[in-house]
Amino acid sequence: GESVGLHLPTLSVQEGDNSIINCAYSNSASDYFIWYKQESGKGPQFIIDIRSNMDKRQGQRVTVLLNKTVKHLSLQIAATQPGDSAVYFCAENSGGSNYKLTFGKGTLLTVNP
Amino acid sequence: EAQVTQNPRYLITVTGKKLTVTCSQNMNHEYMSWYRQDPGLGLRQIYYSMNVEVTDKGDVPEGYKVSRKEKRNFPLILESPSPNQTSLYFCASRRDGTELYEQYFGPGTRLTVT
Repeated sequence: GESVGLHLPTLSVQEGDNSIINCAYSNSASDYFIWYKQESGKGPQFIIDIRSNMDKRQGQRVTVLLNKTVKHLSLQIAATQPGDSAVYFCAENSGGSNYKLTFGKGTLLTVNP
Repeated sequence: EAQVTQNPRYLITVTGKKLTVTCSQNMNHEYMSWYRQDPGLGLRQIYYSMNVEVTDKGDVPEGYKVSRKEKRNFPLILESPSPNQTSLYFCASRRDGTELYEQYFGPGTRLTVT
């Protein structure tokens, strides 16, 4: 299918290294943030979320960090594997909405074996 | 298997010919939403529904209609498709209509309007 990776920032890492994907969000009133992974030809897949009352949240091999002061979100992937190769999106609940999500444009992660 | 399904997965049509893309979820989710994804623009929300018979506009609703007559289904209707609606469309659902939880996405529908 058509690549969703066009015009995207890219990050290339070696298998086994840690990856850090960054995201700047736009609305200081947003208080819920999600990271999604999208493999070629598939729909976005939920990875991890965080609410604004937290600075850090950990999942399986992933950690999300939230810095509200500078409106910055990061996703850390430990021991990156070839199966982690995908486009990663951050999303925020637009201005604190319970119904609308605003998505970033994504980062293409390539893991080299 | 818990999932969101969309049909068709691929569709090529001509300008002005009405079409419907179906979306169905088997998780008893209250909230459902439609997005379109375009290169360089990312995912943008078209419409969403908090529950049966309750829908509202997202960021790019022009040219689209939706309905939510049953909890499990949320079809996207293009009454008169135009070439600028050529895109990759995703349906998503989440368990609660008003509280924030993760959304689960369908596999996508690639629409081409000539």
